[in-house]
Amino acid sequence: QKEVEQNSGPLSVPEGAIASLNCTYSDRGSQSFFWYRQYSGKSPELIMSIYSNGDKEDGRFTAQLNKASQYVSLLIRDSQPSDSATYLCAGRPNSGYSTLTFGKGTMLLVSP
Amino acid sequence: ETGVTQTPRHLVMGMTNKKSLKCEQHLGHNAMYWYKQSAKKPLELMFVYSLEERVENNSVPSRFSPECPNSSHLFLHLHTLQPEDSALYLCASSHFPPRSATAGGDYGYTFGSGTRLTVV
Repeated sequence: QKEVEQNSGPLSVPEGAIASLNCTYSDRGSQSFFWYRQYSGKSPELIMSIYSNGDKEDGRFTAQLNKASQYVSLLIRDSQPSDSATYLCAGRPNSGYSTLTFGKGTMLLVSP
Repeated sequence: ETGVTQTPRHLVMGMTNKKSLKCEQHLGHNAMYWYKQSAKKPLELMFVYSLEERVENNSVPSRFSPECPNSSHLFLHLHTLQPEDSALYLCASSHFPPRSATAGGDYGYTFGSGTRLTVV
């Protein structure tokens, strides 16, 4: 069964610190990976997508992919209280109808 | 209007009621999805429509009945639900097949705002 695993948290960091969120996946055929942010009571919104091994930076966010080790991570620099949310990791397999498989999400709490 | 629009935002229904959830996307996508999100659980895929044809049905009880009349609209018809069906129901849309990085990139799904369903 294709799975995406995340630590449910909460991960607590002080304002201004770097938050590191991690995700592992079981399907070696997965090609694309996504990080979604979900505020309480709201729907998920896409933050980052990554397809290639290495780092991808967008503003304060850096996504990292290591296909050999089957892990994906998201770093948030200069964390702000407004970053407090649940972060969902998702992978897209390269088979079938390529529907995304989501992890349970990691709750991030940034304290002022 | 842009994006993915879901209505209603909140719904309370009795176990003998019949109701429908509506989803509309204005992104030119050709695949649409229904997901269920319960507390402490991952998003659960319910149905997938690609080019208006249902291509996945993840063992969802028959009390949930999807309908996709065209590539922009998706419905979820509900009848005789159980209290354990109370959850956030999310609609999403995407391109299918997924676009490669050279073709502009795969941006995953765009989600609607969701319907918070409570079955009493």
